[in-house]
Amino acid sequence: DSGVTQTPKHLITATGQRVTLRCSPRSGDLSVYWYQQSLDQGLQFLIQYYNGEERAKGNILERFSAQQFPDLHSELNLSSLELGDSALYFCASSVGLGLYIQYFGAGTRLSVL
Amino acid sequence: GENVEQHPSTLSVQEGDSAVIKCTYSDSASNYFPWYKQELGKGPQLIIDIRSNVGEKKDQRIAVTLNKTAKHFSLHITETQPEDSAVYFCAASNGTSYDKVIFGPGTSLSVIP
Repeated sequence: DSGVTQTPKHLITATGQRVTLRCSPRSGDLSVYWYQQSLDQGLQFLIQYYNGEERAKGNILERFSAQQFPDLHSELNLSSLELGDSALYFCASSVGLGLYIQYFGAGTRLSVL
Repeated sequence: GENVEQHPSTLSVQEGDSAVIKCTYSDSASNYFPWYKQELGKGPQLIIDIRSNVGEKKDQRIAVTLNKTAKHFSLHITETQPEDSAVYFCAASNGTSYDKVIFGPGTSLSVIP
């Protein structure tokens, strides 16, 4: 168990809908990262938050947004969903900025039908 | 930008044999090379990493070698066990934060008892 909790484990929804993925980082970790894993694109970095503030953005679509709350949990919001958004979404946490060891959650599998 | 290639995409070995996974990278400025193991239904887990000022690093049955001149690095697993079966990802980064880490496409390793 990595200590990073992601909910829900599975999500099935329709095109055009909006969903929210939740992540609770390991106790004491201030950085939260979101990744998308798909068969054709592999593992892609989406966005990073540190202590409530956005710190880095990767290949995140404008339809996607995230935030980190005062209790350090994070949510990834995906809207106007398309079939191509079907993927595994992982959250990871680390103690700080920089290349500290990351711990990944078990992921949320999103299926857009 | 950085591009990471990984070979082979699938690998089957007999229990007790060695397994080698090779990766190449394109950005000569890359200086950090982590390896991840992803078991079925779980998120990636960092198993070993190497920085550009080191040519080889070992941790029990796992070793990683780096050839900066040729821009390639390899993961070596000796005395493989069934629990080594997983997807392995190499990655490369030219920065000091995870938003700069680019992942390879992965190698599915099967260890046959």
